[in-house]
Amino acid sequence: AQSVTQLGSHVSVSEGALVLLRCNYSSSVPPYLFWYVQYPNQGLQLLLKYTSAATLVKGINGFEAEFKKSETSFHLTKPSAHMSDAAEYFCAVTQRDDKIIFGKGTRLHILP
Amino acid sequence: DGGITQSPKYLFRKEGQNVTLSCEQNLNHDAMYWYRQDPGQGLRLIYYSQIVNDFQKGDIAEGYSVSREKKESFPLTVTSAQKNPTAFYLCASANTNTGELFFGEGSRLTVL
Repeated sequence: AQSVTQLGSHVSVSEGALVLLRCNYSSSVPPYLFWYVQYPNQGLQLLLKYTSAATLVKGINGFEAEFKKSETSFHLTKPSAHMSDAAEYFCAVTQRDDKIIFGKGTRLHILP
Repeated sequence: DGGITQSPKYLFRKEGQNVTLSCEQNLNHDAMYWYRQDPGQGLRLIYYSQIVNDFQKGDIAEGYSVSREKKESFPLTVTSAQKNPTAFYLCASANTNTGELFFGEGSRLTVL
């Protein structure tokens, strides 16, 4: 079965600084990889997804993620953080049986 | 608008009572999912259904039950057998072509 590890349950960055949220998946390449964002007391929204078409994936709100098979990683980045980026971010993978597995999440704090 | 509707948004119940959370979608998706979210634990899969009249247990199905009599509806019952039911519950449906999940706004259940 697939597993997803997100390093750091909390990450703080200054406004305008680089955002880097880490995600590693288990060794077998999943069909799909995703990043979702969750604002307080809401459901999750899709930020971006990897579907093997390109290793660098661009998403909404200026986020992007790079799939690195050699490192089994799919880290999320944004060049310049904005206050509105404060939220919880989840990495997810699909399994061949259509189950979708989530990481434990990383809460991003933006410092003024 | 197309989407997932969960109700109620907030629910309070006494210990020992069964509770049913509603989830309706008009996205014409075959697959639907229920997740439980607790602080610091990410999303854990309770049940999922890939087609009408069929569903499978997820990782934490004990104390929960579901039905899938219609494509649009996937209600979740939290039974009195669930030892710690207070949580945020998220319903989602999936586009099985892309693997993307679409989430409802969630239901917060508090057992007093």
